[in-house]
Amino acid sequence: ETGVTQTPRHLVMGMTNKKSLKCEQHLGHNAMYWYKQSAKKPLELMFVYNFKEQTENNSVPSRFSPECPNSSHLFLHLHTLQPEDSALYLCASSQVQARRNTEAFFGQGTRLTVV
Amino acid sequence: GESVGLHLPTLSVQEGDNSIINCAYSNSASDYFIWYKQESGKGPQFIIDIRSNMDKRQGQRVTVLLNKTVKHLSLQIAATQPGDSAVYFCAENNAGNMLTFGGGTRLMVKP
Repeated sequence: ETGVTQTPRHLVMGMTNKKSLKCEQHLGHNAMYWYKQSAKKPLELMFVYNFKEQTENNSVPSRFSPECPNSSHLFLHLHTLQPEDSALYLCASSQVQARRNTEAFFGQGTRLTVV
Repeated sequence: GESVGLHLPTLSVQEGDNSIINCAYSNSASDYFIWYKQESGKGPQFIIDIRSNMDKRQGQRVTVLLNKTVKHLSLQIAATQPGDSAVYFCAENNAGNMLTFGGGTRLMVKP
């Protein structure tokens, strides 16, 4: 539907678990992003990857570890999370050309609950 | 929407009326702006964009107005329909390819 697919859609994990969120974009874009959307804050940018290289880490705690093996796939590895990390995690992609940005396309998100 | 815990400003309109959603942005160097719509349980969906060299852009039933002097962006929806009920976010691109999002406005359409 959106060209950006996220799995799983819902995830419940304990604070000692390790889990990974997956994102795949079918749009041929060269940039991918992780955003966090919580009940208490607006959309927050977490990580930016341009041409598979991480170009931005927006002061995100190390318990969140991104991985971008190629320009179509993006992962967010989760380890020893806290209950306040419960949120909707959104992946997005866009096409960046000659420093001229275009709209970001979002996936449906993964609803994460940390217990 | 997913920002249900936030104190979102809410706009309530009658079906068929026009809606105007406003947004103030923070960075005078921002050169690209986007409006997104987010329905409950879904990710944000692109509606319309505008670059800083324009002050108005029209789409299908939507118009975006940009006033750089006062750093203000608005989204106008003509003949609002129940399916337009959602949370609307403005976003500004002010550094490289990073978008900064506003807090959102909830639009409620009364049949």
